[in-house]
Amino acid sequence: DTGVSQDPRHKITKRGQNVTFRCDPISEHNRLYWYRQTLGQGPEFLTYFQNEAQLEKSRLLSDRFSAERPKGSFSTLEIQRTEQGDSAMYLCASSSGSNTGELFFGEGSRLTVL
Amino acid sequence: AQSVTQLGSHVSVSEGALVLLRCNYSSSVPPYLFWYVQYPNQGLQLLLKYTTGATLVKGINGFEAEFKKSETSFHLTKPSAHMSDAAEYFCAVGRQNNQGGKLIFGQGTELSVKP
Repeated sequence: DTGVSQDPRHKITKRGQNVTFRCDPISEHNRLYWYRQTLGQGPEFLTYFQNEAQLEKSRLLSDRFSAERPKGSFSTLEIQRTEQGDSAMYLCASSSGSNTGELFFGEGSRLTVL
Repeated sequence: AQSVTQLGSHVSVSEGALVLLRCNYSSSVPPYLFWYVQYPNQGLQLLLKYTTGATLVKGINGFEAEFKKSETSFHLTKPSAHMSDAAEYFCAVGRQNNQGGKLIFGQGTELSVKP
């Protein structure tokens, strides 16, 4: 297993367009998380799934954002009608849900909205 | 609710000098505590973690941290800095027994190492 993978690594789009990011977690991990990181800041929690159930969503996740994990494996994060303020690195992480609490992160998907 | 404060957004040390990165947390429940490192254009990598038991925890690359409940702190140290330690460091807090799952991160401290 090569770890958490994210696609695309970079996305440049025009304001108002929709974008979708994909995350493939470590195969045996049942929990999947999305974070957003802007320049000079720490990762901010967006949402997380246990298997296919979305258990928590941050107030940062406006109604233009939607995340899915339909079969409890990979996940997608869609941003509709992008705004310049959406420009950020979107990080995906997974965990086994064990008591260790450790998250394993992908390398992120960088979004630039022009 | 949980939160993390990292004191100092930028720390600069000379090669061979002591590294000290400060982290204070707030948690209404017993915490799990973590330090992650992020190199440019890479994801976050776990350095070390405190869950339960021994309060002094050792991690990769010679780093260690001590959980001090009375001070609500989890400072990261390394006796002798290497050039390769230059990176962004993030402290994070989670809930004991992994309840809720998510981690809350501090704003990060950028470590520079001078030759």
